[in-house]
Amino acid sequence: GAGVSQSPSNKVTEKGKDVELRCDPISGHTALYWYRQRLGQGLEFLIYFQGNSAPDKSGLPSDRFSAERTGESVSTLTIQRTQQEDSAVYLCASSPREGFRGNQPQHFGDGTRLSIL
Amino acid sequence: AQSVTQPDIHITVSEGASLELRCNYSYGATPYLFWYVQSPGQGLQLLLKYFSGDTLVQGIKGFEAEFKRSQSSFNLRKPSVHWSDAAEYFCAVGAFGNEKLTFGTGTRLTIIP
Repeated sequence: GAGVSQSPSNKVTEKGKDVELRCDPISGHTALYWYRQRLGQGLEFLIYFQGNSAPDKSGLPSDRFSAERTGESVSTLTIQRTQQEDSAVYLCASSPREGFRGNQPQHFGDGTRLSIL
Repeated sequence: AQSVTQPDIHITVSEGASLELRCNYSYGATPYLFWYVQSPGQGLQLLLKYFSGDTLVQGIKGFEAEFKRSQSSFNLRKPSVHWSDAAEYFCAVGAFGNEKLTFGTGTRLTIIP
């Protein structure tokens, strides 16, 4: 597609359940990022994938959070044993391989709004 | 560590009036600076970016921003706002070798007739 695609757009689940969020980056973009936006807050970095390199997981808040990416395509963010504080909008972004070095910004999807009951 | 401060949580402006949204950053080296806009229920749309060169940057929708190294600022401006500009505005900073963006907490812009 033309832009970053995320699914589902909304997810409501009970505390303690596992959830999977999906991100489909812009075609040809090798870099993929996940961010979290809590209500009334800015975005917090979670994880960064660049091609086949080891991901930068430095922003993951706990070991309940994990993400995978198959090659240079779709990524899945998984939250296990969800807690109420996990309620947020999860945004995915992608950029070309050269990133900032090539004056390339990140392009964002519309996000997944996650609500934990 | 890099950080971004947007001191104004909420700004109200009359339609047709000028606008300036403030952004201050903290980073030891030359930063890469961005403004994004978020409409309700939407993702972030890039308004403009600064990587190097001319410190006055033009963006989409009539927005511009000026990088002032001496003030560690990257304020967003528009000479005449439209009702459709009502949204949340985020300033963000990145750096060479650090592709993770650090965001400010955002400024919510309300436009009144």
